[in-house]
Amino acid sequence: DTEVTQTPKHLVMGMTNKKSLKCEQHMGHRAMYWYKQKAKKPPELMFVYSYEKLSINESVPSRFSPECPNSSLLNLHLHALQPEDSALYLCASSQGETQYFGPGTRLLVL
Amino acid sequence: SQKIEQNSEALNIQEGKTATLTCNYTNYSPAYLQWYRQDPGRGPVFLLLIRENEKEKRKERLKVTFDTTLKQSLFHITASQPADSATYLCALRENRRGVGGGADGLTFGKGTHLIIQP
Repeated sequence: DTEVTQTPKHLVMGMTNKKSLKCEQHMGHRAMYWYKQKAKKPPELMFVYSYEKLSINESVPSRFSPECPNSSLLNLHLHALQPEDSALYLCASSQGETQYFGPGTRLLVL
Repeated sequence: SQKIEQNSEALNIQEGKTATLTCNYTNYSPAYLQWYRQDPGRGPVFLLLIRENEKEKRKERLKVTFDTTLKQSLFHITASQPADSATYLCALRENRRGVGGGADGLTFGKGTHLIIQP
């Protein structure tokens, strides 16, 4: 299995909702990442997990809360988001220099 | 501050010609540089990685060069096809390690939207 899967594909949520994005990989990669991508912009790094420990937090607001329950799974918990948080959220994994990206979750915050 | 610049937002090329995309960077001393392809609404897909001690790398119709003196990488697609139309991103690894020496994320250039016209 050489892919990263993300669920859901699309998500619409209100500013008072709590939701979670899920990411899974079965390539045995020990590093996993969350990126945020706005329209016509490049992906921007949010979080890095290395061996299931949070390694990098790029000063992301606390309304985004990552979690790595095990080496194959990565979650992003969302709470009290703002409309400007609407974006494509990409998960990636790596073992070495190359990163493998999932298809993303398209999030719309109303 | 660190910057990665891809000098063309969009590039139109006639089918069969060679497309050349440019990536320039400042205030980085990268050990390697990567190129990714991204189609609309999809995640980036890794294409090629070139290390600082490599001048050129090839994969099928793709060729990447890396000049650490000029701080520039060129990405070539030869015999271009309409199916090559996509956004191409260059990427560098951050110049720091995470807590406990963990993995680093990538910083991407803004990308070049390549259109191959039949």
